[in-house]
Amino acid sequence: DTGVSQNPRHKITKRGQNVTFRCDPISEHNRLYWYRQTLGQGPEFLTYFQNEAQLEKSRLLSDRFSAERPKGSFSTLEIQRTEQGDSAMYLCASRGSALPPDTQYFGPGTRLTVL
Amino acid sequence: AQSVTQPDIHITVSEGASLELRCNYSYGATPYLFWYVQSPGQGLQLLLKYFSGDTLVQGIKGFEAEFKRSQSSFNLRKPSVHWSDAAEYFCLDDKIIFGKGTRLHILP
Repeated sequence: DTGVSQNPRHKITKRGQNVTFRCDPISEHNRLYWYRQTLGQGPEFLTYFQNEAQLEKSRLLSDRFSAERPKGSFSTLEIQRTEQGDSAMYLCASRGSALPPDTQYFGPGTRLTVL
Repeated sequence: AQSVTQPDIHITVSEGASLELRCNYSYGATPYLFWYVQSPGQGLQLLLKYFSGDTLVQGIKGFEAEFKRSQSSFNLRKPSVHWSDAAEYFCLDDKIIFGKGTRLHILP
């Protein structure tokens, strides 16, 4: 168990550029979550995958945001035409599907700064 | 809607003092409850979790929490805090919906 990994750890971009983040969950976990966290706030849910299916999306996920998990393993989160308000920490988490609910394990996050 | 709330946004205690962070839940059936900690510049780490059975749960770093159905609470406790415990603490149910959390400050 190597934990949840995220790449890159930091990303600085100019407004209007596209960015893509990657999340590698714990290998046997079929559930994967994306969150956004701004300074001083708790993480806000963005979207959730079970295997390759995207089952839930928050209204925070505007049409500039898209997430994929093509083979049910790693996931990518893309932000198109970035805005300064997109600056935040983007967290990925994974968990198994056992009952009672398995622990959700978080990655270290990708910090995005939009200039 | 969030079913778990933390009434205290900030808590300040002196190093070596005891700590209790409050968590209230609103549920009919027995909930699944978690406490996570987020230290400055660090990722979110699970401290402990409650599913069923013994209502006093032991976690990492000397933390424990007690599930009290009569009070709808799952408060986090530590008998003696260390300066390294200064962090943000989140109480969550299995929906993993975050609120503002409780920020713990430690006085030297």
